[in-house]
Amino acid sequence: EPEVTQTPSHQVTQMGQEVILRCVPISNHLYFYWYRQILGQKVEFLVSFYNNEISEKSEIFDDQFSVERPDGSNFTLKIRSTKLEDSAMYFCASSGGLGKLQETQYFGPGTRLLVL
Amino acid sequence: AQSVTQLDSHVSVSEGTPVLLRCNYSSSYSPSLFWYVQHPNKGLQLLLKYTSAATLVKGINGFEAEFKKSETSFHLTKPSAHMSDAAEYFCVVSLNTDKLIFGTGTRLQVFP
Repeated sequence: EPEVTQTPSHQVTQMGQEVILRCVPISNHLYFYWYRQILGQKVEFLVSFYNNEISEKSEIFDDQFSVERPDGSNFTLKIRSTKLEDSAMYFCASSGGLGKLQETQYFGPGTRLLVL
Repeated sequence: AQSVTQLDSHVSVSEGTPVLLRCNYSSSYSPSLFWYVQHPNKGLQLLLKYTSAATLVKGINGFEAEFKKSETSFHLTKPSAHMSDAAEYFCVVSLNTDKLIFGTGTRLQVFP
């Protein structure tokens, strides 16, 4: 069964450094998403991406964050100048593009980011 | 504004007994509702979804949920718990937007 994959599974970085989290969505999917879960808190929506541009983003997704689909298979989240509060589990998801109410988003296993 | 409330942060059951995980939603319009499960060190797996078809929705691993508009509820049930059901369960709502709104999660423990 097709699945969303994410690399790395764990990332440790120093405060102020840039990190890139990588995701390979399901191959025929058209919509891509990033969510994060700070330890002990809810899973929160960050951004959605369709047709090579951001379609929706949350208040969390400020200028520190960017997303890119650099080729036909990868979808990346870049966090510039990381802060301690960026420590979280980051989930990538993808969906097929049937129409928003019918969509099922399929999630990857997550990348646990720790900022020291 | 839409939101979802999971009424129990922890639920403990004995193996073979029924499971009930409660969820209430708030939405001005007809939402799509989902239950996802997260096993330790695993991603979020879709259990089932409601998208305005049948109000009783059957999912994987014997789980089902009933959409009750009058009670704004979407509780998750299973007749007989199995040890492998121990995990974190998330009730999720979506309203014709890209983003999913997650509840705070319910941790299910299953005792032998």
